[in-house]
Amino acid sequence: IAGITQAPTSQILAAGRRMTLRCTQDMRHNAMYWYRQDLGLGLRLIHYSNTAGTTGKGEVPDGYSVSRANTDDFPLTLASAVPSQTSVYFCASSEGTGPYEQYFGPGTRLTVT
Amino acid sequence: GESVGLHLPTLSVQEGDNSIINCAYSNSASDYFIWYKQESGKGPQFIIDIRSNMDKRQGQRVTVLLNKTVKHLSLQIAATQPGDSAVYFCAERDPWDYKLSFGAGTTVTVRA
Repeated sequence: IAGITQAPTSQILAAGRRMTLRCTQDMRHNAMYWYRQDLGLGLRLIHYSNTAGTTGKGEVPDGYSVSRANTDDFPLTLASAVPSQTSVYFCASSEGTGPYEQYFGPGTRLTVT
Repeated sequence: GESVGLHLPTLSVQEGDNSIINCAYSNSASDYFIWYKQESGKGPQFIIDIRSNMDKRQGQRVTVLLNKTVKHLSLQIAATQPGDSAVYFCAERDPWDYKLSFGAGTTVTVRA
């Protein structure tokens, strides 16, 4: 069982370019999340999805969009990357919106130049 | 401001000693708390959780204590090992929007 996979592992991206970070889970979890992690700021929620077909905004959604066409996949898109989006991005999933632990992927390190 | 915070950003521990990592939270309505461990270059890994109707929970070498009166959470690691060197995060769950809020983390370094 792989759990959660993310791709790419790392990426250097020119400002203004479009980029999609991929996230796939094989645990049949209903809820999925995207976080960014910046030094000294901990993990901040970008977008979430409580179940397939629904999405919601987290704490820092500007500049990002998500879709949840099926249970397993939750891609995060940067329509026009800016340097402030340089960060490590983590995808996570949980059984549902109840008091369940969230399982995290290995992360994508993104540098916007 | 940050709803979850840690008292100390770094903690240095002698191998074999017990470690105590502290966390303060501000949302008295939070109903669920989790401790995560994050090793360099990896994603956060679940350690232990506790619901708000409990004040103590034990796992393998770890114990989480919850004091709702002072809104304080702690993680105790028994017989700290070199593999315990990592950043430790606490997180709290808001029962209204189901979201987890994370603190900035405490870096634990184990001295041989």
